[in-house]
Amino acid sequence: AQTVTQSQPEMSVQEAETVTLSCTYDTSESDYYLFWYKQPPSRQMILVIRQEAYKQQNATENRFSVNFQKAAKSFSLKISDSQLGDAAMYFCACRGGSQGNLIFGKGTKLSVKP
Amino acid sequence: EAGVAQSPRYKIIEKRQSVAFWCNPISGHATLYWYQQILGQGPKLLIQFQNNGVVDDSQLPKDRFSAERLKGVDSTLKIQPAKLEDSAVYLCASSGRALALETQYFGPGTRLLVL
Repeated sequence: AQTVTQSQPEMSVQEAETVTLSCTYDTSESDYYLFWYKQPPSRQMILVIRQEAYKQQNATENRFSVNFQKAAKSFSLKISDSQLGDAAMYFCACRGGSQGNLIFGKGTKLSVKP
Repeated sequence: EAGVAQSPRYKIIEKRQSVAFWCNPISGHATLYWYQQILGQGPKLLIQFQNNGVVDDSQLPKDRFSAERLKGVDSTLKIQPAKLEDSAVYLCASSGRALALETQYFGPGTRLLVL
């Protein structure tokens, strides 16, 4: 079984500043994938960034990067140069095995202050 | 490229009534998912299709929920009879393959309120 825990229900950041969203997970699979999804208000969920567990190098997508600590089962998301459009719910998710289910955390609501 | 389409966007029904949701995945995507997202929680998988066959429906409450994907394209999710606890957003997603590394593309969701 897999579990994903996001311990920060809400976070706030000043525009142009950097913010880090936390996520821990647990899985019995040796092969798994980790994801961060963004869900803006009343808009559809989109993939922000993905990390393959077998890769040691942290994934980066423009202003978004992750800090993947495999031994600690931690997968945090760092947003640099925050923009107003980054305001949304952010969900951490884990998918194990070759075709396992995508398991989501409860989400972190990010507010961006101008 | 058109995204995942869902309808209706909103639905209000009374308990014990029935309701159906429709999903049209991204063209060419073989894998289709239905998720239930209760307020304040992350999405939870209800059922996964590969083409027109069911891959996983272990979390689908089969006494009241049913889903089908005729011809391996569009899909419908039905609830009959609805309960108050079914109030949620129902998300449809699709991916090219069923592999774990594949990106899932989500639709806008159907927000259901059961009174």
